[in-house]
Amino acid sequence: QKEVEQDPGPLSVPEGAIVSLNCTYSNSAFQYFMWYRQYSRKGPELLMYTYSSGNKEDGRFTAQVDKSSKYISLFIRDSQPSDSATYLCAMSSGNTPLVFGKGTRLSVIA
Amino acid sequence: ETGVTQSPTHLIKTRGQQVTLRCSSQSGHNTVSWYQQALGQGPQFIFQYYREEENGRGNFPPRFSGLQFPNYSSELNVNALELDDSALYLCASSIGMMTGANVLTFGAGSRLTVL
Repeated sequence: QKEVEQDPGPLSVPEGAIVSLNCTYSNSAFQYFMWYRQYSRKGPELLMYTYSSGNKEDGRFTAQVDKSSKYISLFIRDSQPSDSATYLCAMSSGNTPLVFGKGTRLSVIA
Repeated sequence: ETGVTQSPTHLIKTRGQQVTLRCSSQSGHNTVSWYQQALGQGPQFIFQYYREEENGRGNFPPRFSGLQFPNYSSELNVNALELDDSALYLCASSIGMMTGANVLTFGAGSRLTVL
């Protein structure tokens, strides 16, 4: 079993839809959870950062962490064509390097 | 404030050759991490450099080596290239040693093709 599992998609949604992206993990020591967005031919850029369980909201983006279920989510409201990218979840226990999921490729169709 | 810059952006090598990839960290950042991202996969940690010393290494063979310079820039060297080394090599800079609170700032990567 991989430490971090993420459905690679691709996921295609119409503009304005609510997008839900998810990752599961097996390492209960993970405390720091992040979502990175990666456009084609670019490096990943940090989108959301959460410590331990709970929700965090930033504009159209909401990150949720459920440590009891070892499950994290990223919601995108009112999705835009500019949101089309690969979304990578990443996590760490604190003194270990980030472990990334495979990434989910999202296309938002105008 | 400049971001993380990597060079070259693309390169093609043949099996058995050696390659050096370069990275300039973001202004104010003193730690550099290198990741390998194969096609369709997430980035995999190769190693991290802090104060010019290797500080943590992933599951990569010794033919993957690195350096960090006093100005915090870094090099990744790969010897005896194999076909499976074809990937996007990402450099990320941050502040301080490896902790979960560190936010990584990534460069655009160097895409290596091994024929």
